[in-house]
Amino acid sequence: GESVGLHLPTLSVQEGDNSIINCAYSNSASDYFIWYKQESGKGPQFIIDIRSNMDKRQGQRVTVLLNKTVKHLSLQIAATQPGDSAVYFCAEDSSGTYKYIFGTGTRLKVLA
Amino acid sequence: NAGVMQNPRHLVRRRGQEARLRCSPVKGHSHVYWYRQLPEEGLKFMVYLQKENIIDESGMPKERFSAEFPKEGPSILRIQQVVRGDSAAYFCASSPTTRGPDTEAFFGQGTRLTVV
Repeated sequence: GESVGLHLPTLSVQEGDNSIINCAYSNSASDYFIWYKQESGKGPQFIIDIRSNMDKRQGQRVTVLLNKTVKHLSLQIAATQPGDSAVYFCAEDSSGTYKYIFGTGTRLKVLA
Repeated sequence: NAGVMQNPRHLVRRRGQEARLRCSPVKGHSHVYWYRQLPEEGLKFMVYLQKENIIDESGMPKERFSAEFPKEGPSILRIQQVVRGDSAAYFCASSPTTRGPDTEAFFGQGTRLTVV
């Protein structure tokens, strides 16, 4: 469902550590999930996606895990770098189009 | 290759004026999506268009908002008689087809509308 956020939750990690960002999605019929990175003043940038017939997918330094039983999605970033600092959104779709339902977002701060 | 181009990047309007936001999709893309983002929130779907057709406008407010994607030219999101609550970032995304295994939607940099 829809949610209104007054402040984005923030995750602070040390440079070089691994980051885990979590997301609870809303629609059990969703069959496609995607993570976006949004830097200040910019549009969302694709990171990684996963379809509902998979539990895990790996990219370069990123891994997405999908748990359909509890409707949970996570993004793992290995060896977090200062350039990873941004707001991260999960999104879901069940329509076969790009009519996404976005989560509320998590702000990732990388500490030097 | 140019990505999704949105203009203007920033738009200031007084209450009661009209706002026109433009989106030029990636070359060859015939599917366009508009989203709105309030500060510190996720993007909210507004409308999905294909060339000359509105496919899904379930996220559009019933009044004052309209969208088009003509055969030639950019997609336009039009907000009439703007109010302060319309202040937000408006993002456009485009894709070549509906969602498929080897396709992706690309987002523009957004138009930040401020109503004063």
